[in-house]
Amino acid sequence: EVQLVESGGGLVQPGGSLRLSCAASGFTLSIYWMHWVRQVPGKGLVWVSRINPDGTTTEYADSVKGRFTISRDNAKNRVYLQMNSLRAEDTALYYCSRIRVGENWFDPWGQGTLVTVSS
Amino acid sequence: QSALTQPASVSGSPGQSITISCTGTSSDVGGYNYVSWYQQHPGKAPKLMIYEVNNRPSGVSNRFSGSKSGNTASLTISGLQAEDEADYYCSSYTSTSTPYVFGTGTKVTVL
Repeated sequence: EVQLVESGGGLVQPGGSLRLSCAASGFTLSIYWMHWVRQVPGKGLVWVSRINPDGTTTEYADSVKGRFTISRDNAKNRVYLQMNSLRAEDTALYYCSRIRVGENWFDPWGQGTLVTVSS
Repeated sequence: QSALTQPASVSGSPGQSITISCTGTSSDVGGYNYVSWYQQHPGKAPKLMIYEVNNRPSGVSNRFSGSKSGNTASLTISGLQAEDEADYYCSSYTSTSTPYVFGTGTKVTVL
């Protein structure tokens, strides 16, 4: 069964850091772009970042560029999102998802991990 | 990159058909056949319902169908059922600095 499980969320003060992790199982991670998408509770989905299969190319939404870093360890079947200089507006549920090379849809999604930035 | 525009809410009675629109630009919806649709029940993760405008993944009911005309994509749910009550989001590949954009979301209510 294909599965994505996020972890690492929690409560952090403004200016603080968190590292999210996405554990992948049931498929070959190394042939997929991996993405992070976030959702403020009660609001819509917003794309955050992606990384290519071998980890050499990364892209970010303007709102997180320079503060967030996506990375992956294919040997450990994990994808990470290092979040620094966190702001209140980064408070959201963070989802991990995948897109196969040559395709353009997100499937499946993890259950999400909640990040709350508050003093 | 602005979010794609969807109606905030759509409603229908059981058995009826409803259509949700998703309007973008020539840089996203209008420029590529890479529109996908996701269903999200409260407290749950999004679920893929349609990919590449009008393709259904295995396991998704054939009551769900997609189409596109110009810069607007649409999701139609026919034979509306109580279990279809959820939020629906469209998404498109884009040629801008943000490779993917989502719609604003539509809450579907079954009356």
